[in-house]
Amino acid sequence: RKEVEQDPGPFNVPEGATVAFNCTYSNSASQSFFWYRQDCRKEPKLLMSVYSSGNEDGRFTAQLNRASQYISLLIRDSKLSDSATYLCVVNPSGSARQLTFGSGTQLTVLP
Amino acid sequence: NAGVTQTPKFRVLKTGQSMTLLCAQDMNHEYMYWYRQDPGMGLRLIHYSVGEGTTAKGEVPDGYNVSRLKKQNFLLGLESAAPSQTSVYFCASSYSSGTGVFYQPQHFGDGTRLSIL
Repeated sequence: RKEVEQDPGPFNVPEGATVAFNCTYSNSASQSFFWYRQDCRKEPKLLMSVYSSGNEDGRFTAQLNRASQYISLLIRDSKLSDSATYLCVVNPSGSARQLTFGSGTQLTVLP
Repeated sequence: NAGVTQTPKFRVLKTGQSMTLLCAQDMNHEYMYWYRQDPGMGLRLIHYSVGEGTTAKGEVPDGYNVSRLKKQNFLLGLESAAPSQTSVYFCASSYSSGTGVFYQPQHFGDGTRLSIL
């Protein structure tokens, strides 16, 4: 089993739609969770951290379910500029700042 | 605002050749990392460093060596390049402090695209 698993997609949604991505992780001792965004052939960039209580940043909402070991990202009112690959990222050990990356979910927002 | 800078951006090598990828950061970060990214796979950690003069193996270290002689630089070496090392290589850096919700995120360079023929 992969340490971090994501549905690779692709997700093709119309502009203005709401789309949700899920991600599961295998290490129950994981302490830190993130969503990164990666545009085609570019470097990953931090989109948002994921907190236990759930957190929101504008149109983006991230949630963490420790009991079920999954993380979600909800994007409301999708924009064309949201088209990218979304990477679920976990710090499995809490030390040495190592991160484990999912393989990403590809999103295309259509006009 | 240079952030994390990688050189070169592109390179084509022949099997058996050697080369060094350079990563430089100007954010005074303690931690630096080298990843590779292959199609359909997540970023995989090759080696990392928690400070000047220290390095450690990541998930896929075989065939690579690293050095961190200066805090701002982290070098990745391929001694004898193989076609399996064709990939996109990303360097990243982060502060040393913070765990859990205070974890300091990693900042990435824009990658080196390496092809081994």
